[in-house]
Amino acid sequence: GAGVSQTPSNKVTEKGKYVELRCDPISGHTALYWYRQSLGQGPEFLIYFQGTGAADDSGLPNDRFFAVRPEGSVSTLKIQRTERGDSAVYLCASSLTGRGRSPLHFGNGTRLTVT
Amino acid sequence: SQQGEEDPQALSIQEGENATMNCSYKTSINNLQWYRQNSGRGLVHLILIRSNEREKHSGRLRVTLDTSKKSSSLLITASRAADTASYFCATEETSGSRLTFGEGTQLTVNP
Repeated sequence: GAGVSQTPSNKVTEKGKYVELRCDPISGHTALYWYRQSLGQGPEFLIYFQGTGAADDSGLPNDRFFAVRPEGSVSTLKIQRTERGDSAVYLCASSLTGRGRSPLHFGNGTRLTVT
Repeated sequence: SQQGEEDPQALSIQEGENATMNCSYKTSINNLQWYRQNSGRGLVHLILIRSNEREKHSGRLRVTLDTSKKSSSLLITASRAADTASYFCATEETSGSRLTFGEGTQLTVNP
């Protein structure tokens, strides 16, 4: 595909459940980012991968949140014991090199609703 | 935490008018970027200005950067209804690799 693909586009889950959100970046992009966006707010940084490793995970709000990128391409954001406050749009972005040398290309996001 | 603050939060203009949005930030940066977001969609990169640049143009877009005031502005000339969207500034701080976004300006261009 030509762009960043995120699945599912919508996810409704019950409080306390576990969810996985998937991101397929643009082929060849080494940098991958996860952001969270609440209604009417700007995207909030969660984690940044350079290749397979998390170069900066300081935005993850607590230990219920975890992300992996085992082969340096697809990434999965995992949320354990979901809470209603986790409801938001989770955005994934990739860039060719990272560190601002190339722009971020965003997917359309996964809208997570925790009931 | 949000680094950038956009001003105004909302802007409504008529087609053909110019739209100016401002962004202020707090720390030293490598570059500042502007993104656009249509409702329900991801963000789209518009323009990047490096910390050693003062002004940049791209089509109907003009971006300025004043590092002494830690501020930037985005000017959209001859606006069109299709420019209706939210606009975000984002900064890459010198201390790290993350891109930090502001709260955005919601621009409405009335036909």
